Amino acid sequence: DVKVTQSSRYLVKRTGEKVFLECVQDMDHENMFWYRQDPGLGLRLIYFSYDVKMKEKGDIPEGYSVSREKKERFSLILESASTNQTSMYLCASSSLSGPQGTEAFFGQGTRLTVV
Amino acid sequence: AQSVTQLGSHVSVSEGALVLLRCNYSSSVPPYLFWYVQYPNQGLQLLLKYTSAATLVKGINGFEAEFKKSETSFHLTKPSAHMSDAAEYFCAVILGSSNTGKLIFGQGTTLQVKP
Repeated sequence: DVKVTQSSRYLVKRTGEKVFLECVQDMDHENMFWYRQDPGLGLRLIYFSYDVKMKEKGDIPEGYSVSREKKERFSLILESASTNQTSMYLCASSSLSGPQGTEAFFGQGTRLTVV
Repeated sequence: AQSVTQLGSHVSVSEGALVLLRCNYSSSVPPYLFWYVQYPNQGLQLLLKYTSAATLVKGINGFEAEFKKSETSFHLTKPSAHMSDAAEYFCAVILGSSNTGKLIFGQGTTLQVKP
């Protein structure tokens, strides 16, 4: 059974803190994604990685960075958390090849509250 | 630039009625297209995907979608709504120009099913 695991379901952080959101997949997928989900705005892509140490900015990268040192792990970093980063964060992975090619698998999400 | 647009943030139907959720994409080359569903307090799961094999795609739970290149549309339908279909539905696209699988989502449509 395929699996994308996000390290936390709920997080509460203070303004100005550095926040790390971790995501691990066990499917040997090349692609990994970080989205944020807000009511009425759908899923907006923050960053995308198509290989180890390779990354591409999505639609809303400001205030975020990412790290992909190993194929299975993709980390989202909030350098200095702000209240407008309170949101649901979703990690996903996909592959362009194989029987599940192009389908993205999602983690359960991390609901981050910045106070 | 918006790559996928879902028309209507909320759709309400009666149980047993036709479900039609609209999705249009912007791409000059054939894309990969997807519909995902998110039930309350759950992650996203794939309903169906279009990868150029056939223009009418059948998915899980009785849903299907038709790719219409001339209209740049990929609308989701189900002949008869069930109460359990109440959820949020997302259309997504991998742009034809992307050889890395960058996945972009629409704003989402919440489907309400009335008894």
